[in-house]
Amino acid sequence: EVQLVESGGKLVQPGGSLRLSCAASGFTFNSYAMSWVRQAPGKGLEWVSTISGSGGSTYHADSVKGRFTISRDNSKNTLYLQMNRLRAEDTAVYYCAKVVVAATISGSQYHFDYWGQGTLVTVSS
Amino acid sequence: SYELTQPPSVSVSPGQTASITCSGHKLGEKYASWYQQKPGQSPVLVIYQDNKRPSGIPERFSGSNSGNTATLTISGTQAMDEGDYYCQAWDSSTAYVFGTGTKVTVL
Repeated sequence: EVQLVESGGKLVQPGGSLRLSCAASGFTFNSYAMSWVRQAPGKGLEWVSTISGSGGSTYHADSVKGRFTISRDNSKNTLYLQMNRLRAEDTAVYYCAKVVVAATISGSQYHFDYWGQGTLVTVSS
Repeated sequence: SYELTQPPSVSVSPGQTASITCSGHKLGEKYASWYQQKPGQSPVLVIYQDNKRPSGIPERFSGSNSGNTATLTISGTQAMDEGDYYCQAWDSSTAYVFGTGTKVTVL
């Protein structure tokens, strides 16, 4: 059974830093890209970051580029999100999600097949 | 940047059919996925690659995608199907894109 368990969320002041973790089990971790997706209170889903299975490629949404860094430790089956220079608008539940890729005529397409339970990050003074 | 638009809400009577649309430029040339999210819970994948159901998802959930619109259909809607539904696609310029979300109410 696939399990994704996030941790690390808490109340932090604007301008502060935080590192989120996601412990994965039930699948071959290093074979899959992983992502972070967030959801502000009462709002929709927003993709944040993705990292390849090897960790060699990373991608970030423009809203967090230069402030957040996604990484992974395949020896520990753990995904991370380092969040720096936090802003009030970063307040959200952060989910880690397992990525599935499908090849199509027009290129690769991606979706998320498993999600964690989420961890709440609150940025406020 | 690529955008996906959904109706804010859909109401359906128990046992009837609910249809939720997701609109985006040439969406039919991409794969659409759909996620169900109940209050206080994580999203759950209900449809992927336009019309495939993950293991454990009831047959009453189905999907289609053509032109600029993807549609999630819930046949014989049950009270347990209430929640928020999000479509999602991948775009080479924007990466992972989620729809604006639709709240399904079973009256």
